[in-house]
Formats: sequence, structure tokens, C-alpha cells
Amino acid sequence: EAGVVQSPRYKIIEKKQPVAFWCNPISGHNTLYWYLQNLGQGPELLIRYENEEAVDDSQLPKDRFSAERLKGVDSTLKIQPAELGDSAVYLCASSLGGYTGELFFGEGSRLTVL
Amino acid sequence: AQKITQTQPGMFVQEKEAVTLDCTYDTSDPSYGLFWYKQPSSGEMIFLIYQGSYDQQNATEGRYSLNFQKARKSANLVISASQLGDSAMYFCAMREGRPLNRDDKIIFGKGTRLHILP
Repeated sequence: EAGVVQSPRYKIIEKKQPVAFWCNPISGHNTLYWYLQNLGQGPELLIRYENEEAVDDSQLPKDRFSAERLKGVDSTLKIQPAELGDSAVYLCASSLGGYTGELFFGEGSRLTVL
Repeated sequence: AQKITQTQPGMFVQEKEAVTLDCTYDTSDPSYGLFWYKQPSSGEMIFLIYQGSYDQQNATEGRYSLNFQKARKSANLVISASQLGDSAMYFCAMREGRPLNRDDKIIFGKGTRLHILP
């Protein structure tokens, strides 16, 4: 069974440029998460989808961040324009949901903003 | 207030010894779940073990066990017979809220970096 797939693994951009990250969850997982992880810190939730609906985007900085999950499968997270402080790892995870539904994570997309 | 507290930023343990990683949590929900994840230097988060708030027995998965003390709101991870490959960051996480609803949240602690010494 294929795991959560993210791309790109690494991205280096200059500030004010746009960037997009893509995530393909595990087949059948209706719940999809985007997390932000700063160096040496735990993941922080940006947005959670149940199928194609964003049910928790309260921590997503909507002035520059946007996300979509068309057809309830793949998801894209976009930053426009990027700022220096956005340098971090962006983790995508999926789960079956429910209390015992652990999160399965992708390898992450490491963003460096110069 | 921190929902998940991991008080040990770093630990050094001799190979083959047992190690306990501390985690305390804060919730008013009667139903919740607790997870531990391992993150090696490669970056991928690996699920280790799960404990439900109503589970009567402590969860175990191979060399991993979760010392769940509900009254103290403590969910420590115990790794028996540590190995060099156990060197990694370890994150405690809590799920609260009604599953699949808007208040369903999974919150991570800041992590503990474990170093296993040969």
C-alpha cells in the first residue's frame, strides 16, 4: 500500500515569490491534514479536511496561505507571497478518522525562503 | 496553556537500557486519545503507539509501552532495551473533540530528542 506522497521534497525560493505543495493521501483516507513544523518543534495544524470540506482552517494565515482539496483526494497548499518566516517543513497527513485513527505522514516539503 | 507538555528537550541513554519519555496533557473532554510518534533525522513521522482514554490497560507495541496515568494526566512512553536506531525526536500527541467533527483536533507536544549511546 502506497503511503502519503508529498512533493516537492525541497523548495528554495526568494521572498515574495509564490510556492505550492502537493499531497496525495493514502487511498480511502477521507481526513487530510496540513501541518507546519519549525525546526526543533512539534507539528502545528494549518488545516484539516474531511473529504473536500475544510472543517478546521482556524490556524491557516489566510492572507497569504490557501489550500484546496478538489474531489476529496489530492490537496494543494499554496503560499503567496512567501515571507522569510515561512521557512519550515510542511507536513501532509491522512487518516481514517475516529479516536484510534492514527495519522500517516508524508516525508514533508522543506521550504527555504531567502 | 500547553495542551501537551514534554518536559525533556533532550535525553542521553546507554544502549540496551530502558528509557522513559515524559508527557502530560490537559483536556476537559472525557473522551480523548493519546499518540506517540517518532521522527528520525530523515524527517518522516512514524506512528508508535496509541492509548484511548477509556482503555483499561496500558497500550503495548513490541518494545514500546505507554504508561497511562489518567488521574495525573500523564502518558509516558517507555522504550525497553533501547537500540541505536531509537535515536530520534519523539512527539506526544493528543486527540480531543468529537471524531470527524469541527472540534476534532490532534495537538502535538514540542518533542524530546533521544540520543542512544553505544
